[in-house]
Amino acid sequence: ELKVEQNPLFLSMQEGKNYTIYCNYSTTSDRLYWYRQDPGKSLESLFVLLSNGAVKQEGRLMASLDTKARLSTLHITAAVHDLSATSVCAVDTQGGSEKLVFGKGTKLTVNP
Amino acid sequence: GAGVSQSPSNKVTEKGKDVELRCDPISGHTALYWYRQRLGQGLEFLIYFQGNSAPDKSGLPSDRFSAERTGESVSTLTIQRTQQEDSAVYLCTRDTEAFFGQGTRLTVV
Repeated sequence: ELKVEQNPLFLSMQEGKNYTIYCNYSTTSDRLYWYRQDPGKSLESLFVLLSNGAVKQEGRLMASLDTKARLSTLHITAAVHDLSATSVCAVDTQGGSEKLVFGKGTKLTVNP
Repeated sequence: GAGVSQSPSNKVTEKGKDVELRCDPISGHTALYWYRQRLGQGLEFLIYFQGNSAPDKSGLPSDRFSAERTGESVSTLTIQRTQQEDSAVYLCTRDTEAFFGQGTRLTVV
């Protein structure tokens, strides 16, 4: 059974500094998603990583996928206040329904 | 979210009542998924539709939960005899890239 773990679960960031959060998973998959979730809101897609070594960047965020290590990282460069949200990763089970298994999310808070 | 409409956006119901939640993928997609998110938890898979059949309903938590879909169109998730533990946000998505609707927040009182 696929399990997805994110760490840390909470991250307090200072404006202007760099940070990394992690998503690791327990069984083979080469399709991983990162989402942003604001309080009380649905999920907004950030990145879709579809193969080993995939790297995607958007603004201050960069995500990468290492399928051999079963690990994705989300790098945050020079944190700013509007990054305060929960970052959620999800892994595609592949085969069959291709449903997603979600991590619990990393709650990001940016302090001045 | 990206071409998925859910209704109602909020629903408060009394324990023991039945509720129906609706998901419309708007442009029509073969695959449709239901997930739920209980307070402070990650999303949990409920059911997957391929067209109007449901080859994977392994996430439905009990026989009080059922879902149907008309072709590649609207899906309805029905919860009978609601319980307080059913309180959650119910989200649906279309296709494997998982563009989520805005969800239905269900509160059972």
